[in-house]
Amino acid sequence: NAGVTQTPKFQVLKTGQSMTLQCAQDMNHNSMYWYRQDPGMGLRLIYYSASEGTTDKGEVPNGYNVSRLNKREFSLRLESAAPSQTSVYFCATEGGVRDEQYFGPGTRLTVT
Amino acid sequence: GENVEQHPSTLSVQEGDSAVIKCTYSDSASNYFPWYKQELGKRPQLIIDIRSNVGEKKDQRIAVTLNKTAKHFSLHITETQPEDSAVYFCAASKNDYKLSFGAGTTVTVRA
Repeated sequence: NAGVTQTPKFQVLKTGQSMTLQCAQDMNHNSMYWYRQDPGMGLRLIYYSASEGTTDKGEVPNGYNVSRLNKREFSLRLESAAPSQTSVYFCATEGGVRDEQYFGPGTRLTVT
Repeated sequence: GENVEQHPSTLSVQEGDSAVIKCTYSDSASNYFPWYKQELGKRPQLIIDIRSNVGEKKDQRIAVTLNKTAKHFSLHITETQPEDSAVYFCAASKNDYKLSFGAGTTVTVRA
């Protein structure tokens, strides 16, 4: 089992460009999340999806959109990238006996 | 929303000593408090968690304590080893699945 996978691992964008970060899980979990991690600020929730077909804003949703394509996949889109969106992005799922969150390996995004 | 504060931001300990990280939270309805460990360049991974019906939980060299009245919880690592060097995050949530994370503590274990 791959668990939670993310693509790409690294990306450099110019200001104003768009891109989609992909996340997939084979854990059969209902809930999926997108976080961004910045130095000294911990992990901040961008969007989450409690189940297929539903999405909700988290703490820092501005500048992002999401799609829960099916139970396995949850994508994050930057329509017009800004330098303030330079960060490491983590996707996570939630489930299992302990209802814990399992994180993907992360995507390091730089916007110049 | 929930606000989680974590202290200290950095912690350096001698190998074999104990390390303690403290977190406070603002929402008295929060009832789930996990701790995550993130090694350099890796993903965060759950190391221990506690729910509000329990005051203390231990797993080998790590333990977590919860004081719901004071709205704070702590991570204790005993007999620290070099592999304990990492960033540790506390978090809190209610039953709506959303975790609010602290800013993290960078722990360095000196040999």
